[in-house]
Amino acid sequence: DSGVTQTPKHLITATGQRVTLRCSPRSGDLSVYWYQQSLDQGLQFLIQYYNGEERAKGNILERFSAQQFPDLHSELNLSSLELGDSALYFCASEGANTGELFFGEGSRLTVL
Amino acid sequence: ILNVEQSPQSLHVQEGDSTNFTCSFPSSNFYALHWYRWETAKSPEALFVMTLNGDEKKKGRISATLNTKEGYSYLYIKGSQPEDSATYLCASLDNYGQNFVFGPGTRLSVLP
Repeated sequence: DSGVTQTPKHLITATGQRVTLRCSPRSGDLSVYWYQQSLDQGLQFLIQYYNGEERAKGNILERFSAQQFPDLHSELNLSSLELGDSALYFCASEGANTGELFFGEGSRLTVL
Repeated sequence: ILNVEQSPQSLHVQEGDSTNFTCSFPSSNFYALHWYRWETAKSPEALFVMTLNGDEKKKGRISATLNTKEGYSYLYIKGSQPEDSATYLCASLDNYGQNFVFGPGTRLSVLP
């Protein structure tokens, strides 16, 4: 157990819909990263937050947005969903002392 | 966005064989290099965090080296066991501390 919690674990929805994925980092970790893993692809960096502020942005689509709240949990919002958005979405928090990433179990999104 | 490359893409070895993989990353603005082990149906777990040129780290039968001047890192597994079968990811962080980019991974299969 990494200490990072992601919900939901599985989500099935239709094209054009909007979903929200939630991540709670490990206690004490301030930084949260979001990654997307599509079929046969590696981990694609989407966005990073640190203590509530956006810190870095990767290849995140304009239809996607994220935020980190005062309690440090983060949400990734995916809108106008397309079939190609079907993927496993990972959240990771960065260990304050070690710098390593601790990954949640991921949220598997299926868009039909 | 950083470009992190790994080779080989996949590798099949016999139990007891020793093996190694390569991670290439931009040497400019380097801050840290991470190695992760990713087993099927699980989340990536950190193996090593390396920051200094010439760093060598070891954990059991697995070790890693780092060359920041030429932009590469090697991961070695001595006496591979079937339980070592996994995808091994490297990730590079630049010194702006903003881009934490993973390579595509090396998928290792150890045959008994």
